[in-house]
Amino acid sequence: AQSVSQHNHHVILSEAASLELGCNYSYGGTVNLFWYVQYPGQHLQLLLKYFSGDPLVKGIKGFEAEFIKSKFSFNLRKPSVQWSDTAEYFCAVNARTGGYNKLIFGAGTRLAVHP
Amino acid sequence: EPEVTQTPSHQVTQMGQEVILRCVPISNHLYFYWYRQILGQKVEFLVSFYNNEISEKSEIFDDQFSVERPDGSNFTLKIRSTKLEDSAMYFCASSEFEVDSRNEQFFGPGTRLTVL
Repeated sequence: AQSVSQHNHHVILSEAASLELGCNYSYGGTVNLFWYVQYPGQHLQLLLKYFSGDPLVKGIKGFEAEFIKSKFSFNLRKPSVQWSDTAEYFCAVNARTGGYNKLIFGAGTRLAVHP
Repeated sequence: EPEVTQTPSHQVTQMGQEVILRCVPISNHLYFYWYRQILGQKVEFLVSFYNNEISEKSEIFDDQFSVERPDGSNFTLKIRSTKLEDSAMYFCASSEFEVDSRNEQFFGPGTRLTVL
């Protein structure tokens, strides 16, 4: 069965620190990968996505992620976080079964950035 | 920018009651989804819907759940007889395409369902 693992449940950083959130997936077929962010009290928003091509994907707000097929990983990075990045981050894989797609989410990583 | 909307934002109900959660997907989208997030847990897929029928459902989506597209704009999730464990945030999502390269799903703000 498809699954997504996020290694860090809670991360606390100071402003300007670098961020890397781990994500590994288990799925044997072609994957589409996503990172969503959920700011406090708000809905899920797409940060970035990978479908094909360049494995280094750039998203909004200075985030990027690298797809490493051999490691089944899609880690999220940001060189310098801001207080406004405080949110919960979800990695997701698009699993195609029977020709239809659904998103399988990881458990999420709650990031707190201190000024 | 078009967005998915959901009503109500918060629904409180008594155990055993029926609830209907409403969603208005983005107007040109053809694929619709419901997900739920129990407090402190991961977002879980419930059901996908295309061409007026369910295309896939999870094991969570039992006979107590149903979905409908009653008109050209709304997409509803009905829980016939709510249980305490149905308390969760329910997210609606929609996508324009089904093919891999353009199947980004757009999420609504969610409905928080509280079953007492």
